[in-house]
Amino acid sequence: GENVEQHPSTLSVQEGDSAVIKCTYSDSASNYFPWYKQELGKGPQLIIDIRSNVGEKKDQRIAVTLNKTAKHFSLHITETQPEDSAVYFCAASTGAGGSYIPTFGRGTSLIVHP
Amino acid sequence: DVKVTQSSRYLVKRTGEKVFLECVQDMDHENMFWYRQDPGLGLRLIYFSYDVKMKEKGDIPEGYSVSREKKERFSLILESASTNQTSMYLCASTTLRQYQETQYFGPGTRLLVL
Repeated sequence: GENVEQHPSTLSVQEGDSAVIKCTYSDSASNYFPWYKQELGKGPQLIIDIRSNVGEKKDQRIAVTLNKTAKHFSLHITETQPEDSAVYFCAASTGAGGSYIPTFGRGTSLIVHP
Repeated sequence: DVKVTQSSRYLVKRTGEKVFLECVQDMDHENMFWYRQDPGLGLRLIYFSYDVKMKEKGDIPEGYSVSREKKERFSLILESASTNQTSMYLCASTTLRQYQETQYFGPGTRLLVL
């Protein structure tokens, strides 16, 4: 089955700095890679996703990159703000005709210091 | 907006008790999931269901069972609660419609087994 590794487990940055979270996956059939943000006391919520036919996707201050050859994808947050503090999860699945069952990374706790 | 609700935010139970956790979604989603979230272990899939009365084991089904009598409702049952089942439990749902793989999570139920 799929295995997703996520690093780092904790990331501490100053407000305004950039933050990068990296994930690797093992199953070359995976074609859908979402990122979820979990704020304190809430369930995870999708913030951005990317499919295997795209190398990069941006949405304001967040971006995701995908390297299919190396089987890794990354979340980039620029100009971090205190409200970006949360736990972030990456995931991989065979969407679009596949099982839609994601395998999640173990999560990264991002702390943004004012 | 998609809404996934869970019956309780916090529960305290005794060892050996039978525990019911309920989840309801309002978006007519086919797939529903139960995850367990523990620090450093991420989200681990307990069971999922892709249709009424259908269920499939996830990665850690031991000690749990599920029930899906109606499309919108998915219940997790701990037949005889044990202290190692103290955890955060998250319910999620998705549609099977193509290119709509986003998982929608409930707020979670924090269960303490004494």
